[in-house]
Amino acid sequence: SQTIHQWPATLVQPVGSPLSLECTVEGTSNPNLYWYRQAAGRGLQLLFYSVGIGQISSEVPQNLSASRPQDRQFILSSKKLLLSDSGFYLCAWRIPGTGNSPLHFGNGTRLTVT
Amino acid sequence: RKEVEQDPGPFNVPEGATVAFNCTYSNSASQSFFWYRQDCRKEPKLLMSVYSSGNEDGRFTAQLNRASQYISLLIRDSKLSDSATYLCVVNRRQGYSTLTFGKGTMLLVSP
Repeated sequence: SQTIHQWPATLVQPVGSPLSLECTVEGTSNPNLYWYRQAAGRGLQLLFYSVGIGQISSEVPQNLSASRPQDRQFILSSKKLLLSDSGFYLCAWRIPGTGNSPLHFGNGTRLTVT
Repeated sequence: RKEVEQDPGPFNVPEGATVAFNCTYSNSASQSFFWYRQDCRKEPKLLMSVYSSGNEDGRFTAQLNRASQYISLLIRDSKLSDSATYLCVVNRRQGYSTLTFGKGTMLLVSP
């Protein structure tokens, strides 16, 4: 069966510091991978998605970036965090090529920028 | 018009009640629809997919109305454990298919 791992679970970082969140998927090949953010009291915002190694699509201009160095690894990064980057970051995967397949989320990372 | 709209609630219902949520979507070309459940400070989890002819999973029934562009979720015999936020999810085709989430409807089931 497929599993998705995301870490760390919680993170407190000062403004201006770098960020690296990692997500890995097991039990499937060539998944579509996604990074979402949920700010306090708000809906899920799609940040990035990837349909293959090295292929990243950005949904919203941010000071964030994403990379997919391996088939089942997805990384979210920032060189300098802003206060507005605080939120609940969720990695998700989906079976590619099937429009009816749902997203499966990791446990999320709760980021607080101070 | 927002891509996916939901009444934020909260819906306060007693145990055993039947409750229904609606969700409207703006893109008439959307083809995939889902309901997710999100508990406080947790990740969303798939509750059920929504099929064109409607579908049922135990106490939960989902319906799709393409003409009016809305989907619905009916929960019968509410349990305390049903208390959560229910997210409506719709795909949109923009290059590669991505899913758009509504902001969710909060349900509170009381004893």
